[in-house]
Amino acid sequence: GDSVTQMEGPVTLSEEACLTINCTYTATGYPSLFWYVQYPGEGLQLLLKATKADDKGSNKGFEATYRKETTSFHLEKGSVQVSDSAVYFCALTSGGGADGLTFGKGTHLIIQP
Amino acid sequence: EAGVAQSPRYKIIEKRQSVAFWCNPISGHATLYWYQQILGQGPKLLIQFQNNGVVDDSQLPKDRFSAERLKGVDSTLKIQPAKLEDSAVYLCASSHWTSGRNEQFFGPGTRLTVL
Repeated sequence: GDSVTQMEGPVTLSEEACLTINCTYTATGYPSLFWYVQYPGEGLQLLLKATKADDKGSNKGFEATYRKETTSFHLEKGSVQVSDSAVYFCALTSGGGADGLTFGKGTHLIIQP
Repeated sequence: EAGVAQSPRYKIIEKRQSVAFWCNPISGHATLYWYQQILGQGPKLLIQFQNNGVVDDSQLPKDRFSAERLKGVDSTLKIQPAKLEDSAVYLCASSHWTSGRNEQFFGPGTRLTVL
């Protein structure tokens, strides 16, 4: 079945540091890929998505590129802020009629001032 | 636009008791999902509805979990009887299109503690 593997946390960085959170996946067919974020005390919200190979999703300074050859969708940001502190989830859906999301375990990101 | 509503926000019960959760999706969203999120893990899909029909319930423990979506709007998820391992946050999500390739909007969740 489908699965998502993302790097373990917590990840602690200083403000303005570069961020990469690794995500790799196993899926049948051609999945769509997502990053969701959960800020402290809030619900899950979509950060960015990519629906086909070589697509780049971007939002709020974050980027991720759909790499079919390496089955990866790593999340990157050039300069993180304290407000980026949250739990980040990589997820996929294989599409079709039954298209619930398959999530990774989440990566807790802590940004120190 | 109002978001996905869930109630209650918190529930504490003893094992072997029953519990029910309610979800009201975003108006006009035909697809509704229930997920279970155990502490330290990502959400796991339990069931997906398209209008009032079940599309996928392959990961729903049907011996104790049930869900319905009457009239294709609100949905309830029930656990009867609850076990200790059911302690988790239960998330409801909805999406506008039949394909989840479009965004799923999540509610705040119901945190269940089974003692």
